[in-house]
Amino acid sequence: DQQVKQNSPSLSVQEGRISILNCDYTNSMFDYFLWYKKYPAEGPTFLISISSIKDKNEDGRFTVFLNKSAKHLSLHIVPSQPGDSAVYFCAASVGNEKLTFGTGTRLTIIP
Amino acid sequence: EAQVTQNPRYLITVTGKKLTVTCSQNMNHEYMSWYRQDPGLGLRQIYYSMNVEVTDKGDVPEGYKVSRKEKRNFPLILESPSPNQTSLYFCASKRQGASYEQYFGPGTRLTVT
Repeated sequence: DQQVKQNSPSLSVQEGRISILNCDYTNSMFDYFLWYKKYPAEGPTFLISISSIKDKNEDGRFTVFLNKSAKHLSLHIVPSQPGDSAVYFCAASVGNEKLTFGTGTRLTIIP
Repeated sequence: EAQVTQNPRYLITVTGKKLTVTCSQNMNHEYMSWYRQDPGLGLRQIYYSMNVEVTDKGDVPEGYKVSRKEKRNFPLILESPSPNQTSLYFCASKRQGASYEQYFGPGTRLTVT
């Protein structure tokens, strides 16, 4: 039972354009959401997060949007840069004890 | 430098031969966790520990053991590895309390033949 789903295994975007990565969840008890970025041969690193009481959080080129009624969140990267090429995982938490991860989306930025 | 370290980074072993993957963090974090990453399945939690001597099962604990005798270390033990435990393993840690962000180690790629 996949509670957090990333339905696009891969995404290619031209450098300078906007990258939009999507994530859907089924558990309405999730109260905190995070995005992690993973390069090959490295562990995931935290990128940005959002509490369920907000609908938007912005950090530089990265913005996360949360639509609670649709149980959907998205990560926007603008402008996209070659260094953004990586696998992106969304994750969700109930309380503060464990993270449930999605399956990941491989983002490729085309120069 | 604040970090989570794992050893070994790569391991090839045979079915049934006991092994231990070590994990250590230098951030004085109370919470530590083990995940495995498999194609099409993302990261799934194996075990976690809220503090010394406190451990609990995650989503896929079968075939694994853990212990937390010291705050900084959280080894993952495979008593009798099987080929379906071939995977990429990550250890992570975080502060207990208000923090949600987990810090991950570099990963251990395990192959069981």
